[in-house]
Amino acid sequence: QQQVKQSPQSLIVQKGGISIINCAYENTAFDYFPWYQQFPGKGPALLIAIRPDVSEKKEGRFTISFNKSAKQFSLHIMDSQPGDSATYFCAARYGGSQGNLIFGKGTKLSVKP
Amino acid sequence: SAVISQKPSRDICQRGTSLTIQCQVDSQVTMMFWYRQQPGQSLTLIATANQGSEATYESGFVIDKFPISRPNLTFSTLTVSNMSPEDSSIYLCSVDYYGYTFGSGTRLTVV
Repeated sequence: QQQVKQSPQSLIVQKGGISIINCAYENTAFDYFPWYQQFPGKGPALLIAIRPDVSEKKEGRFTISFNKSAKQFSLHIMDSQPGDSATYFCAARYGGSQGNLIFGKGTKLSVKP
Repeated sequence: SAVISQKPSRDICQRGTSLTIQCQVDSQVTMMFWYRQQPGQSLTLIATANQGSEATYESGFVIDKFPISRPNLTFSTLTVSNMSPEDSSIYLCSVDYYGYTFGSGTRLTVV
C-alpha cells in the first residue's frame, strides 16, 4: 500500500518529442505528488508537484496529469531537449504536512539530438 | 524553497569506522528527513528528525547504526556507524519548506 510504481524504467526520446512517465499508487491517503529530476552526482531537484484535487498542472514544458479515480499520475515533458536527459522520480506523500515521501524507482530519460 | 548545505560531499572510509554527515538549512524547519540512495536506485527514507525529540526510524533502519542529532531548527547530523561496504551509498537530507527540497548529497564509499 505504501508503494509508488513507476514506468518505464528507461526512455529514449528524440529531440523535440514528448516524454511521458507514469506512476501508480494504491494508498488513497497520499495527499501530495511531486516529481523530481536528478542529474548524476547531484541531489534530486523538485520539478513540479500536484495535489489530488487538481487534474492537471503545467509549468513551462512540464505537465502533471492526475487521475484520482485510477490512482495514476504522469509527467509529460513537451519539446524534450538533450539537457532534459536525467533520471526522473515520482513521489507521493503520506502523513500530511511535513509528512514522508515515498519514491518510485525512477526513469532514466535520454533525449537524442 | 529552502537551500540545504550538506557536508562532506563525498568520502572514502575504512570498514568499521563511522562518518558523520552534516545538514544545514537556511530556514527554520520542523522536520528534517534523511534518505539513502544506493547506486542506481531510488531514495529510501532512513528517518525523520524533529527538533527536541528522538528521530523516528523507518523499518530496516536502527538508531545504533544511524544515530541522528537535531540540536536546533536549522541543523541535523546523521552518523553512519561501524561501516561496511554495503553502506556505500549517497546520503541525502531533505526538508519541506514550500516544497520538499534536497541537499546535494554525501557520496560514501566504504572500502
